[in-house]
Amino acid sequence: SAVISQKPSRDICQRGTSLTIQCQVDSQVTMMFWYRQQPGQSLTLIATANQGSEATYESGFVIDKFPISRPNLTFSTLTVSNMSPEDSSIYLCSAGGETQYFGPGTRLLVL
Amino acid sequence: GENVEQHPSTLSVQEGDSAVIKCTYSDSASNYFPWYKQELGKRPQLIIDIRSNVGEKKDQRIAVTLNKTAKHFSLHITETQPEDSAVYFCAASNSGGSNYKLTFGKGTLLTVNP
Repeated sequence: SAVISQKPSRDICQRGTSLTIQCQVDSQVTMMFWYRQQPGQSLTLIATANQGSEATYESGFVIDKFPISRPNLTFSTLTVSNMSPEDSSIYLCSAGGETQYFGPGTRLLVL
Repeated sequence: GENVEQHPSTLSVQEGDSAVIKCTYSDSASNYFPWYKQELGKRPQLIIDIRSNVGEKKDQRIAVTLNKTAKHFSLHITETQPEDSAVYFCAASNSGGSNYKLTFGKGTLLTVNP
């Protein structure tokens, strides 16, 4: 299985600022995804990070708010832009193909 | 799009008993069904998965069954232990056409009492 790391592991940010989360995989993978998980809730898919092209966003999520990059087959970033307290959550990346493995998550608190 | 329903939302069992978690899905094109275990503060971990050409799969104390006609699948844990306590998520995807997007159920909090 792929080994996935995320940076930062947690952060506290002021409203109106932006945070970029990095996801690194130890091997080349077909697919990378970004999820949001509110405390005590399930995982909600934000977008599919496509290598070499624009990400595919799910309903309710837009590129201006959550720009995503995927420059190669092992790395992706998610930026949470113009943050508000409602963006406080855990952000997880996953990677793989049909079988997906998750990173450890980034715990974000927006004040 | 796909919709996955999961029941129960909470489950409490005595150590050594069996636990069963059930999920239903809506999209008949879904063909891959993984189960994840998430301990408090940790990442979701894949524990078992099943594909639509298989009716049952076992891995030690864990088994998953799939009924494609009824569009439901279940996780069975036998001889439960306190370390099985966690939130369990089922998911479904249609892996055809290189689209591996997972849709998750809402999760089941399993508590195994010593």
